[in-house]
Amino acid sequence: DPKIIQKPKYLVAVTGSEKILICEQYLGHNAMYWYRQSAKKPLEFMFSYSYQKLMDNQTASSRFQPQSSKKNHLDLQITALKPDDSATYFCASSQDQDWGYEQYFGPGTRLTVL
Amino acid sequence: SQWGEENLQALSIQEGEDVTMNCSYKTYTTVVQWYRQKSGKGPAQLILIRSNEREKRSGRLRATLDTSSQSSSLSITGTLATDTAVYFCAKDSNNRIFFGDGTQLVVKP
Repeated sequence: DPKIIQKPKYLVAVTGSEKILICEQYLGHNAMYWYRQSAKKPLEFMFSYSYQKLMDNQTASSRFQPQSSKKNHLDLQITALKPDDSATYFCASSQDQDWGYEQYFGPGTRLTVL
Repeated sequence: SQWGEENLQALSIQEGEDVTMNCSYKTYTTVVQWYRQKSGKGPAQLILIRSNEREKRSGRLRATLDTSSQSSSLSITGTLATDTAVYFCAKDSNNRIFFGDGTQLVVKP
């Protein structure tokens, strides 16, 4: 059974629209993260949450808003989509919010903005 | 080496060979993580090595960390075709994490 679920697997959006990427983890972890992987670029950290509280935001744009309705949920809302937002977005979790803990990644949501 | 200093590197070897991949860094780090990412999948953490450790092993994998030269390496012994993937390192700095560009490893059967 998958321990981290991301929905949808693929997403196509038009410029200017808004989308929500879903993430649920069933590992009992206290910390969750969002990462972005664009073509030909390194994996990029976006947000970290611990016990449903935002711990770090490394995303310059306010168009990206994480939402945590439950401890094991961390969704990512993206507004006013741009073609440059096209990337694969990965959700991850770890036991606690410390880089010394092993991180587990979801399968990703590939977003294409036309 | 990785950490934004070079583009994605590529290595192609025969099954059974050993391989070593390297990362170097410029700022102090407390932790280096090594990941593997297979095509179409999310990254999977392989080894985490702390600044007070020089070496860590996990099965056919061996990671080293040299704080004096600010470099880390990941070695795979007796490679298998299933080891084909992108391997990248990550380090923490000022409580944030930074990933390298990665090495595309192709292991031919």
